[in-house]
Amino acid sequence: GAVVSQHPSWVICKSGTSVKIECRSLDFQATTMFWYRQFPKQSLMLMATSNEGSKATYEQGVEKDKFLINHASLTLSTLTVTSAHPEDSSFYICSAPRELAESTDTQYFGPGTRLTVL
Amino acid sequence: TQLLEQSPQFLSIQEGENLTVYCNSSSVFSSLQWYRQEPGEGPVLLVTVVTGGEVKKLKRLTFQFGDARKDSSLHITAAQPGDTGLYLCAGPPPAYKYIFGTGTRLKVLA
Repeated sequence: GAVVSQHPSWVICKSGTSVKIECRSLDFQATTMFWYRQFPKQSLMLMATSNEGSKATYEQGVEKDKFLINHASLTLSTLTVTSAHPEDSSFYICSAPRELAESTDTQYFGPGTRLTVL
Repeated sequence: TQLLEQSPQFLSIQEGENLTVYCNSSSVFSSLQWYRQEPGEGPVLLVTVVTGGEVKKLKRLTFQFGDARKDSSLHITAAQPGDTGLYLCAGPPPAYKYIFGTGTRLKVLA
């Protein structure tokens, strides 16, 4: 079963509005979560690292004021796309690392959220 | 800056053919993962390689981690239409974050 969930799975909004996407780890705690965006037929590009209890770390070229990240608890991170524009339309995916018995972190990915800005 | 370069970017082959996908970096990775992604879904983990020189097999898929832990390869034997998808290598470079390779889009024709 899924261990990381995202909500909503898809959203359509008008230009200028804000959209919040939630990422939850379902049966483990995650002090770190990662947010990615993916354009059609392209790979996943890391946007930011969400850190519980501290500020998110953004990758170069990602506007922190536009993509607000809040790691509210050990099982929840949210990504808010503020003042969305059509060019923000994309597939947004989160992931959370989980340490397994063999001491290797495994990344668990959410199912993704497709954002369409009209 | 993308630290993981994959080749080829696109591959279209006939059912039954073999293929190899490469994932290269100038950085050392403590581990590398390979994923397959279907349209509209999140990536699904295929394998994790940790030790330099390691070879892992998953049915018709063979994964290898380079001795220096800077590169990896995925070899598919007798490809089937069900193997069609986007193949991604990924891993944590020295600064703890998790990045993906540029991706290889595979299409296997029946």
